[in-house]
Parts: sequence; structure tokens; C-alpha cells
Amino acid sequence: DAKTTQPNSMESNEEEPVHLPCNHSTISGTDYIHWYRQLPSQGPEYVIHGLTSNVNNRMASLAIAEDRKSSTLILHRATLRDAAVYYCILRDGFPTGGFKTIFGAGTRLFVKA
Amino acid sequence: GAGVSQSPSNKVTEKGKDVELRCDPISGHTALYWYRQRLGQGLEFLIYFQGNSAPDKSGLPSDRFSAERTGESVSTLTIQRTQQEDSAVYLCASSRQGVNEKLFFGSGTQLSVL
Repeated sequence: DAKTTQPNSMESNEEEPVHLPCNHSTISGTDYIHWYRQLPSQGPEYVIHGLTSNVNNRMASLAIAEDRKSSTLILHRATLRDAAVYYCILRDGFPTGGFKTIFGAGTRLFVKA
Repeated sequence: GAGVSQSPSNKVTEKGKDVELRCDPISGHTALYWYRQRLGQGLEFLIYFQGNSAPDKSGLPSDRFSAERTGESVSTLTIQRTQQEDSAVYLCASSRQGVNEKLFFGSGTQLSVL
């Protein structure tokens, strides 16, 4: 399974943008990049995903490097409610990949008021 | 149902007893996943069901762990002869088939083995 590497923790000030990095140097051509976040005492929730092009939705933006070996999740204005563990994962789009979906340790984001 | 439902939400058991955890996926979701999350750690993949295909059991940590799913409905995760190291939150997720599909997670079962 292709692996991702994320910093253990990051800190941000409220109302400021946050850039959460993820390295996936062994990504294959059929792997999709997904981001989930886990708020305290809850199950993870979907944030965003993409393949090659940058993506935007109401929660965040995803910037994917041209060689696809890294990506960045961008929260445009962090709020206290964004304090969570953010997981960057790869899902294999090739049919035999089976969509097993492996999570790493994630990045714990602290947001200061 | 609105989302993925897991029961019980909390389970306290004695070492050596068997436990059964239940997951009700979202209707129409053919894929179902079980994960284990120890305190302060990330999600550890256990098992994955996709429709009527053979499940991917590669994450089950020992033969004390097993899971079943009937068709595209309820799944049960069974842990036999529980050990203290089995204490964790067990999370279930479901999704439609496809790599673009989102995983929807339940709130988990907190298992405590005394």
C-alpha cells in the first residue's frame, strides 16, 4: 500500500490560513489523494479528495504537486472548530486495488484563539 | 437511517470473555470497513467488505478477531478471549463502491477490557 507522511502536529492562529502538508513519494498513477479529519471523540469525516488537479470545496482546498508526490490541504480561515487530527490517505483507483483505505497517524492541528 | 450506526457505544468486559460489536451501514453502501483506534493513535485497518466479494482480512491482528457481513447489510466484529491490549475504539465506515466515494464513519464502540 502506498504510504503517506505527515507532520505529527501543527499550530495555527484563529482566522489565519493553515497549510497541512502530506508527502506521498511512492504514489502510483491510479491513487487518489483523500483527506479526512477527526474531531475529538468522533469518527473521521471526509474533507476533500483529488487526483491531479487542485480541488476546492466549502470546507477546504487541496493543492496537488505537479509530480503528485506531495499535496497540501488548505484551510482558508482556521476556526477553533477546525482543531482536529487531519489524515491524508491514498485510495487506489485501479480495480484490483480494492479500495482498502489505510490511514496513517495524521497531523494534529491546534488552533489558538 | 441517517448515518452509520454502531452498537454498543461502550462495552466493558473482563479479560478472556468474548465480545461482539455491531455496525449498521448506510443503506445502499456496498463497502464496509472496520478500524481499531488505540488511545492517542491513528486508525488501524482491520477488515474490508465489498459487496459479495471475499473480504480483505489482511488487517486482523490475530485469529481471535473475526468479522461477518451478510450481503450489504449489518456487520459484526467478534473478538474472542479478549485481552487488555484489545482495549480501543472500534470504528466502522461504509461507502458506495468506487475510489471517488466518501467513507462515512460511525461514532465507534469504546471497548474496555479489565
